Amino acid sequence: DAKTTQPTSMDCAEGRAANLPCNHSTISGNEYVYWYRQIHSQGPQYIIHGLKNNETNEMASLIITEDRKSSTLILPHATLRDTAVYYCIVRGGSNYKLTFGKGTLLTVNP
Amino acid sequence: NAGVTQTPKFQVLKTGQSMTLQCAQDMNHNSMYWYRQDPGMGLRLIYYSASEGTTDKGEVPNGYNVSRLNKREFSLRLESAAPSQTSVYFCASTDPDRFYEQYFGPGTRLTVT
Repeated sequence: DAKTTQPTSMDCAEGRAANLPCNHSTISGNEYVYWYRQIHSQGPQYIIHGLKNNETNEMASLIITEDRKSSTLILPHATLRDTAVYYCIVRGGSNYKLTFGKGTLLTVNP
Repeated sequence: NAGVTQTPKFQVLKTGQSMTLQCAQDMNHNSMYWYRQDPGMGLRLIYYSASEGTTDKGEVPNGYNVSRLNKREFSLRLESAAPSQTSVYFCASTDPDRFYEQYFGPGTRLTVT
């Protein structure tokens, strides 16, 4: 499985866009990029996933570079409730065994 | 729908005691998982069950056993608890058509003294 690298922590002002980067330079052609988040003391929550095209849903947007070696999760208008640890995960096809690293702690400040 | 439920929410055990953590889902999902999360760490997969009647080891299976009782329920057993098993345990499930989206329970906080 491709290894991912994320910053340990980031800050964002409430109402501004939060851009969370992830490097996955060893990603292979059939591996997807997944994003999950974990609000303190809760179970993780799925956010979005993508293969090579940019994706958007009601929670966030996922931008994957053309060479697929990095991606960015965008929360367009961060709120205090978006404070959480965000995990970037790379996994192949329908392989459902997700490996969670340490993620990025995003703190949204008022 | 309750989603994924776990019992108990909290548990304190003495070294050597045994216990079973219960997990149930009402979403008709085929696959279920058990993870553990230690302070400051990401989640690590203990065991998973791709479908009813099958179970497989994950990353850290030692000291644990599992039972996929039926499609809804997946239990995790600690036969002889050790302090190293102090952790938060999460159960999750997925629909095979939406394999990318795992639904997680609220967790069981276990302390072994």
